[in-house]
Amino acid sequence: QLHLQESGPGLVKPSETLSLTCTVFGGSITSSSYYWGWIRQPPGKGLEWIGSIYYSGSTYYNPSLKSRVTISVDTSKNQFSLKLSSVTAADTSVYYCASRIAATPFDYWGQGTLVTVSS
Amino acid sequence: QSVLTQPPSASGTPGQRVTISCSGSSSNIGSNTVNWYQQLPGTAPKLLIYSNNQRPSGVPDRFSGSKSGTSASLAISALQSEDEGDYYCAAWDDSLNGRVFGGGTKLTVL
Repeated sequence: QLHLQESGPGLVKPSETLSLTCTVFGGSITSSSYYWGWIRQPPGKGLEWIGSIYYSGSTYYNPSLKSRVTISVDTSKNQFSLKLSSVTAADTSVYYCASRIAATPFDYWGQGTLVTVSS
Repeated sequence: QSVLTQPPSASGTPGQRVTISCSGSSSNIGSNTVNWYQQLPGTAPKLLIYSNNQRPSGVPDRFSGSKSGTSASLAISALQSEDEGDYYCAAWDDSLNGRVFGGGTKLTVL
């Protein structure tokens, strides 16, 4: 059973870069077949997939965010991270980190962290 | 607009059976499996159904999923007040090369 914990600033200024980290507990981030990803949810709205990184290192990004998103892994810290550049108020959301093995019940989410974009 | 289409709301009384639909296309539901998530107020989404119709350990058998062509459905029988929350379908989309979610359905237990 994995446990995921998001961390990072709760307030980011417009045009700056949003940076979040997800620490993985209870398992290794190098475990085979796992996708490590980020999903966000604007206040009162639905879920939006941001992107994922496969255990092999392959990355997959939402086409609507691709030009601004980078997801990477730090195996030494058992963490993965999200960077979203040039943020605007529209990027204000609860950001969830998540991990899954496709077509299995192994599907874990962090508790989520609210990031507000405001000057 | 979400790539997967769900009704914005659904409702039922305790004990009733409710179904929530999820409509997609050949590039997502038509060629990949569907997951369903339950999000209770103030909490993170929780996996309810995977691979179209499989329940993770601990999910009551009141919850069931099905898929036909480019659509999927979640059925909740013997509705309980604690089922009130938001429900989302999700699938991989081969054209977008990414994961897509439905817009979510808010379930109200009357």
